[in-house]
Amino acid sequence: DIQMTQSPSSLSASVGDRVTITCRASQSISSYLNWYQQKPGKAPKLLISDASSLQTGVPSRFSGSGSGTDFTLTISSLQPEDFATYYCQQFYSTPYTFGQGTTLEIK
Amino acid sequence: QVQLQESGPGLVKPSETLSLTCTVSGGSISGYYWSWIRQPPGRGLEWIAYIYDSGRTDYNPSLKSRLTISVDTSKKQFSLKLSSVTAADTAVYYCARHDGSSWLYWGQGTLVTVSS
Repeated sequence: DIQMTQSPSSLSASVGDRVTITCRASQSISSYLNWYQQKPGKAPKLLISDASSLQTGVPSRFSGSGSGTDFTLTISSLQPEDFATYYCQQFYSTPYTFGQGTTLEIK
Repeated sequence: QVQLQESGPGLVKPSETLSLTCTVSGGSISGYYWSWIRQPPGRGLEWIAYIYDSGRTDYNPSLKSRLTISVDTSKKQFSLKLSSVTAADTAVYYCARHDGSSWLYWGQGTLVTVSS
C-alpha cells in the first residue's frame, strides 16, 4: 500500500494568514493526488484534483502543487469558513489511501 | 445535479453482516466507477472498494475476505456487504462517484454502529 503522510497534523492560524499543508507519498504517485476539505458531520469536499487542478466553485485562494512524492496545499489568505480538516489522497493505485488529516483551527 | 444517498441499518450486531445501498439520482450509473469509503468516529478516511457498471470490482485487501460489492443498474443502485463485523467496523460509510482520478460526488454518509 502507498502510505500518505501529512504534516502538520494540526495547525492554529488566524484569518488572513497564509498556510501550507504538506503531503508525502511513500512512493511516486505522479500527479494522482487530491485534496479534500471536511467539516464536522459532512462528507469530504473535493478541492483540488491531479495535484493542482482547482475544482469549479472552489475559491482561488486554494492552490495545490507537487508531483512524484511531495505535494502541498496552500491557502493564501485564510477565511473563517476554511477552518476544517484537510486530507490528501492518492489515486495512483489501489488500495487508494488518504493522509491522516490536518485540522486547521482558529488561533 | 448528481446526488448519492446511502441507506441501511444503523445498528448491526457483532459477527453479523453489514449491508448498505447507495442510490444514484440526477445522473447515470452507467459509465462510472463507484466507491465505498468509511470513517470511524473521530478518525481518518479509508477506501473500501469500487465497482464499475459492468460489475468489475476492486477491494481493499484489508477487508477483501469479508466484502461483497454489487451493482443494479436498473435501479441505479450499488451495494456493500461486509460480513463478520466487529466494533472496529463502526464508522460513517460514504458512497462516492469516480470522476477522472478523484471523488467529486459523495453521499452524505450513514453511521453504522456495531454493538450487541
